[in-house]
Amino acid sequence: GAGVSQSPSNKVTEKGKDVELRCDPISGHTALYWYRQSLGQGLEFLIYFQGNSAPDKSGLPSDRFSAERTGGSVSTLTIQRTQQEDSAVYLCASRHDDYEQYFGPGTRLTVT
Amino acid sequence: DQQVKQNSPSLSVQEGRISILNCDYTNSMFDYFLWYKKYPAEGPTFLISISSIKDKNEDGRFTVFLNKSAKHLSLHIVPSQPGDSAVYFCAASDSGTYKYIFGTGTRLKVLA
Repeated sequence: GAGVSQSPSNKVTEKGKDVELRCDPISGHTALYWYRQSLGQGLEFLIYFQGNSAPDKSGLPSDRFSAERTGGSVSTLTIQRTQQEDSAVYLCASRHDDYEQYFGPGTRLTVT
Repeated sequence: DQQVKQNSPSLSVQEGRISILNCDYTNSMFDYFLWYKKYPAEGPTFLISISSIKDKNEDGRFTVFLNKSAKHLSLHIVPSQPGDSAVYFCAASDSGTYKYIFGTGTRLKVLA
């Protein structure tokens, strides 16, 4: 059906607050990725899901970051006690069996 | 340690001429390479890919060249069009893993 969707598209939060970012992958895609793009930087890998499990969480910047995926579909990236350096565009992508990833439009997070 | 490098942050080309975007990598285990195009406020979209068993892949105006010995790939766009103006990311993957490593991107501006 539709492509990858992410919500919210924009989020402004105060330093120290928690935020939740949501990703709805393409139906049937088993793999789901989270990336972060800070200003002037490339795409930084955060975490990968195969089904509901995350074999590698080593890309998460700190223990304030966590992610889960339920039902092999929707994923939520949670950032606790946000810091200004967390400000970035958070991108989600999903993939089926081939190599191509399909990206969502991203969530722009601004921590003030 | 940047495993995938795009050393030109920006490139300007006249409409109708060839655009050449370059990408270098350091990990010899990478065996699949992709180019993505990103417009502002949108997620990256897949453009073209190449497996390490090939040295060239062509799709319409877009051709990707791979030089394994030099660990270098390039994307050629001929003829360039104003609508090609975007940020281009190269990405590399080791088919034995699930990870994609992205470069920092090259902003292409095609002048009318």
